[in-house]
Amino acid sequence: GQNIDQPTEMTATEGAIVQINCTYQTSGFNGLFWYQQHAGEAPTFLSYNVLDGLEEKGRFSSFLSRSKGYSYLLLKELQMKDSASYLCAVRDQGRGGSYIPTFGRGTSLIVHP
Amino acid sequence: EAGVVQSPRYKIIEKKQPVAFWCNPISGHNTLYWYLQNLGQGPELLIRYENEEAVDDSQLPKDRFSAERLKGVDSTLKIQPAELGDSAVYLCASSTGTPSTGELFFGEGSRLTVL
Repeated sequence: GQNIDQPTEMTATEGAIVQINCTYQTSGFNGLFWYQQHAGEAPTFLSYNVLDGLEEKGRFSSFLSRSKGYSYLLLKELQMKDSASYLCAVRDQGRGGSYIPTFGRGTSLIVHP
Repeated sequence: EAGVVQSPRYKIIEKKQPVAFWCNPISGHNTLYWYLQNLGQGPELLIRYENEEAVDDSQLPKDRFSAERLKGVDSTLKIQPAELGDSAVYLCASSTGTPSTGELFFGEGSRLTVL
């Protein structure tokens, strides 16, 4: 199984940059996802990393270091609508070669004016 | 393209009553997941289907929970009897199942309150 750790809550100012960290321990690693979840809504996919390095997508970037079991999600030019929970999910190989994503508890980001 | 559809969105029942949730995945997605999410927590896997076959159901409390995915398309999750601790959001997700990316697409969830 996995042990996924991310901060419970973070606050930031509109227009600023925030970095949300995720550390994990797993065997059979096969990718790391970041999802955004607004209160009362479904999680929506943000990014996917399977190789080391930085993946950039608009205001959001995600970084992965497999050797360190570490990832971060970087949000630039924060907007009020970015206030949400950010879920780190690690996928590893399960039984029969299947691939199962396991979620961390999520980081609640509060963006204030 | 229609997303993952779940019903009901909200359900309030007395403890010991049965409840069922329904999920219709995105067309062509052969992998279907049921997750449970408590307030302030991440989703926890209950069961995963590959087509109509249930795999990875080790976290499903089989004394009271059951699930099925007849014909490998839509799925139902049942709880009988419900307990107070079952109050949570039940999320259904689907994916293509291929490991290249294979991100999950979630439905809006079914929020269960057990009184």
